[in-house]
Amino acid sequence: DAGITQSPRHKVTETGTPVTLRCHQTENHRYMYWYRQDPGHGLRLIHYSYGVKDTDKGEVSDGYSVSRSKTEDFLLTLESATSSQTSVYFCAISESGRFEQYFGPGTRLTVT
Amino acid sequence: GNSVTQMEGPVTLSEEAFLTINCTYTATGYPSLFWYVQYPGEGLQLLLKATKADDKGSNKGFEATYRKETTSFHLEKGSVQVSDSAVYFCARYYNQGGKLIFGQGTELSVKP
Repeated sequence: DAGITQSPRHKVTETGTPVTLRCHQTENHRYMYWYRQDPGHGLRLIHYSYGVKDTDKGEVSDGYSVSRSKTEDFLLTLESATSSQTSVYFCAISESGRFEQYFGPGTRLTVT
Repeated sequence: GNSVTQMEGPVTLSEEAFLTINCTYTATGYPSLFWYVQYPGEGLQLLLKATKADDKGSNKGFEATYRKETTSFHLEKGSVQVSDSAVYFCARYYNQGGKLIFGQGTELSVKP
């Protein structure tokens, strides 16, 4: 299994509070991704990173920001959580020149 | 456009039955295609892949053939087991951002 961990694994927070989710990899892969999983939608890309300090938006980036200061860590921040951001969040990684991605175990976030 | 469409679930089968989960995609060119499997409470695992037309991906008794004529990548298994119960996702590579575009997932339930 690819060495990917996510923290926390579960979180309940209130509307309007900031939340940061962390993805950590031990594979030294260049690319990292944040997806959200919602019933009926499969997985949708929020943001991705193609190197340290290099990030870009995915298809559902509104309300989210990311940072990558080290190869191994990719942070997803909800500046002011809303109930529509209740979801399961997955981090993924991939190597340069390879198309497949490897996924972390997920973080279940509930915004009340 | 760029999309992936899977047959709707849930699919319920008896043990040892034949499985087919349909997947079609839209794309310009010939993107790499993937099947991922998600067991309850876990992240997505890469099940198999095909990187060019007419390729057959296979793993753990599952197979899928990249058919460019019908833009399809149907997942098959000759004899399912209870342990195959999971959600299956078809995905295609999209080279803008190196992301994966997922279908909505198909839940499979195998009864003894």
